[in-house]
Amino acid sequence: QSALTQPHSVSGSPGQSVTISCTGTSSDVGNYNYVSWYQQHPDKAPKLMIYDVSKRPSGVPDRFSGSKSGNTASLTISGLQAEDEADYYCCSYTGSSYVFGTGTKVTVL
Amino acid sequence: EVQLVQSGAEVKKPGESLKISCQGSGYSFTGYWIAWVRQMPEKGLEWMGVIYPGDSDIRYSPSFQGQVTISADKSTNTAYLQWSSLKASDTAMYYCAKRGVNSRYTVDYWGQGTLVTVSS
Repeated sequence: QSALTQPHSVSGSPGQSVTISCTGTSSDVGNYNYVSWYQQHPDKAPKLMIYDVSKRPSGVPDRFSGSKSGNTASLTISGLQAEDEADYYCCSYTGSSYVFGTGTKVTVL
Repeated sequence: EVQLVQSGAEVKKPGESLKISCQGSGYSFTGYWIAWVRQMPEKGLEWMGVIYPGDSDIRYSPSFQGQVTISADKSTNTAYLQWSSLKASDTAMYYCAKRGVNSRYTVDYWGQGTLVTVSS
């Protein structure tokens, strides 16, 4: 099972929006509406930000939103804030297991 | 409060065995599967496998099948990840995480991680 493909890095100024893509195949992202997104700050455990493509857990700001089209899922951070600077990973159900994305570093300029 | 508390950092030599733990509290341990995730130094997250503590059904990711053993003890609400013969390439941070409450297809709480260092 190959890792899902994410851009290595994205950046934006405070207040701007950034979008992170997560490209898989018809065997994972394209076949199931079970894509999650995790935020990981340096030396910290990951934190769930989005699940089931577009649902937000309690406590996650509504600046974070998720979507999917075909084999590609996306995470959008609107109104970028300094504390959003972190690594972000997508994760998809594959029918028998799960696969993570390659990870994207978000930099707030 | 839901918590997953993992055992402490380990330093081992190649060829040695190791078992690390993840103790859950604040929720029904047998009602939610536990996943193990590897993060090698400066690398991304990798899904290793899951265990259903209620019946100890285990599903390994193909990349980790035969390389590690996942188990659980319902009596102590603890999940385990073990190696019979460590390699230098097993050096990594290992996280446990529990199945989500609102979705069966995500993990919502993570342990703090256990750093395993394998070096001669």
